[in-house]
Order: sequence, then C-alpha cells, then structure tokens
Amino acid sequence: KAGVTQTPRYLIKTRGQQVTLSCSPISGHRSVSWYQQTPGQGLQFLFEYFSETQRNKGNFPGRFSGRQFSNSRSEMNVSTLELGDSALYLCASSPTGGSPEAFFGQGTRLTVV
Amino acid sequence: EDQVTQSPEALRLQEGESSSLNCSYTVSGLRGLFWYRQDPGKGPEFLFTLYSAGEEKEKERLKATLTKKESFLHITAPKPEDSATYLCAVQAGTGGFKTIFGAGTRLFVKA
Repeated sequence: KAGVTQTPRYLIKTRGQQVTLSCSPISGHRSVSWYQQTPGQGLQFLFEYFSETQRNKGNFPGRFSGRQFSNSRSEMNVSTLELGDSALYLCASSPTGGSPEAFFGQGTRLTVV
Repeated sequence: EDQVTQSPEALRLQEGESSSLNCSYTVSGLRGLFWYRQDPGKGPEFLFTLYSAGEEKEKERLKATLTKKESFLHITAPKPEDSATYLCAVQAGTGGFKTIFGAGTRLFVKA
C-alpha cells in the first residue's frame, strides 16, 4: 500500500514568486492536512481538507491557500513568497475527518531566496 | 490558550540506559494525544494514540502513558537506532478539531 506522496521534494523560489505543492494521500483516505515545520516554530497546522471542503484552518495569512480534488489529492499554494516561508511543508492523510491517526509524507523542502 | 510543552528539549543516553520523555498539555476538549517519531529529513511516523487518563500503549521498547495533564514516553533499554526526534501532539476542540504539536525532544542514543 503506497504511502503519502508529496511533490516536489525540494524547491527553490525567489521572494515575491508563488509556489504550488502537491500531496497524494494514501488510497482510501479522505482527509488531508498540511503543516509547516521550521526549527524555530516546530510543526504548525495550516489547514485540513475533507471531501474537497476546508474543515479547519490554522493561523496563517491569506497568502497560504489550498484545495482538494475529488480523488482526495490536495494542493497547497503560497503566493508572494517571503524569506520566512522557507520551511519543510508536510502533508498528512487520515481515513476520515477527525481520525487521530495521521500518516505523513516526506515533505517538500521550500527555500525562498 | 491551548499549549503543548515537551521536555527535555534534548536527551543524550547510553545504549541500555532507560529514561522518559514528558509532554504536558493545556487544551480545551481533548480528543486524543499522539506520539510521533521523526528522523532527519523525513515526515513524522505515527507511534501511539492515547484517549483517556490511565491509558497505556506499548510498542517494542516504547511505552506511552497518559494522565489528565501530561503524557510520558518511556524508553526501555534504548538502542542507537532509537535516536530521533519524538513529537507529541494533541487533538482538541468540539465540532471542528485542531491538532497542536509540541516542539519535540531530540533523543541521542550512544552505543
């Protein structure tokens, strides 16, 4: 059974650009959550999608957005990149909305220069 | 304010030297507490979920326990391959839930 797949693994962008990250959850999982991980702030919750609807949102500015498709795949977009957006972005999938067991992907390492 | 605090920040052990990691939390409407292991450059790997005070879970050399205010991850006779960052997270809220992670404990086990 394939795990959570995130693409790309590494990304370098210039300040002011925008970026789209992709996450394919485990087959059959309908809930996808996104997290930002930095050395200073740790793992911070961005948002969660379930059946194409955003159910929960963390305390991030509107530059961070996401969506989920009918096949449960999810994308996260960050517009007008800032240097502080450099981080490891992690996607986690779970079978149903509210399931406590979330399975994480390897993450996308975003560097903003 | 909902908060999860892990201690110590880092822990260095000799192989075979048992110890415990602590996770204390202050949240409203606890739904569950989770432990994850994270290796460098990888996503967190799920270990345990605990739901209520008094509950215990075990997996190999790891044992997680839960009280009303904190959780402990006991590591018995650790091996070098247990070296990793151990993350604690709580899921809280009613209706729309949220997951809050602690900063983690970096464990180093020396042979």
